[in-house]
Amino acid sequence: DTGVSQDPRHKITKRGQNVTFRCDPISEHNRLYWYRQTLGQGPEFLTYFQNEAQLEKSRLLSDRFSAERPKGSFSTLEIQRTEQGDSAMYLCASSFGNSNQPQHFGDGTRLSIL
Amino acid sequence: GQNIDQPTEMTATEGAIVQINCTYQTSGFNGLFWYQQHAGEAPTFLSYNVLDGLEEKGRFSSFLSRSKGYSYLLLKELQMKDSASYLCAVRDEYNFNKFYFGSGTKLNVKP
Repeated sequence: DTGVSQDPRHKITKRGQNVTFRCDPISEHNRLYWYRQTLGQGPEFLTYFQNEAQLEKSRLLSDRFSAERPKGSFSTLEIQRTEQGDSAMYLCASSFGNSNQPQHFGDGTRLSIL
Repeated sequence: GQNIDQPTEMTATEGAIVQINCTYQTSGFNGLFWYQQHAGEAPTFLSYNVLDGLEEKGRFSSFLSRSKGYSYLLLKELQMKDSASYLCAVRDEYNFNKFYFGSGTKLNVKP
């Protein structure tokens, strides 16, 4: 069990650029979640996949944000035309099986918009 | 709407006991989770309550009262490494895969 891994750990980019983050969940986990966390706040739910199907999207996820999980394994989160307000930590989590199972989080990708 | 409240910050002494409270007002409820998060790191799972009462796990215990919309995390024999943020998260009643997190309580353990 290598845990949930996210890449890159840090991303600095200029406003208006597109960025893409990757999440590799724990291999047997069928559920994958994306969250956004800003300083001093708890994680805010963005979206959720069960296998390759995106089953839920938060209203926080504007049309500049898109997430995929093409083969039900790794996932990508893309932000187009980044804005200052997108600066945050983007966390990925995965879980397996029934609803009593906790989510396992990755260390996140910290995005800074210049 | 969903409202989850935790104290912003607490300080306690090494070796002592500390209780971190979480109150919630949510449209539904199907379980409450506690996570620990060290600065710059991933949240890690500590405990889960879905029924009223106390769940004990070594130095950490968590309590839930559904009628009061209240939970607490109890940390005993505090160690310096317990300095971290503690996040309370409530699972949605109708969507088991949706979680609402509090802002977290930053615990400072001093010698």
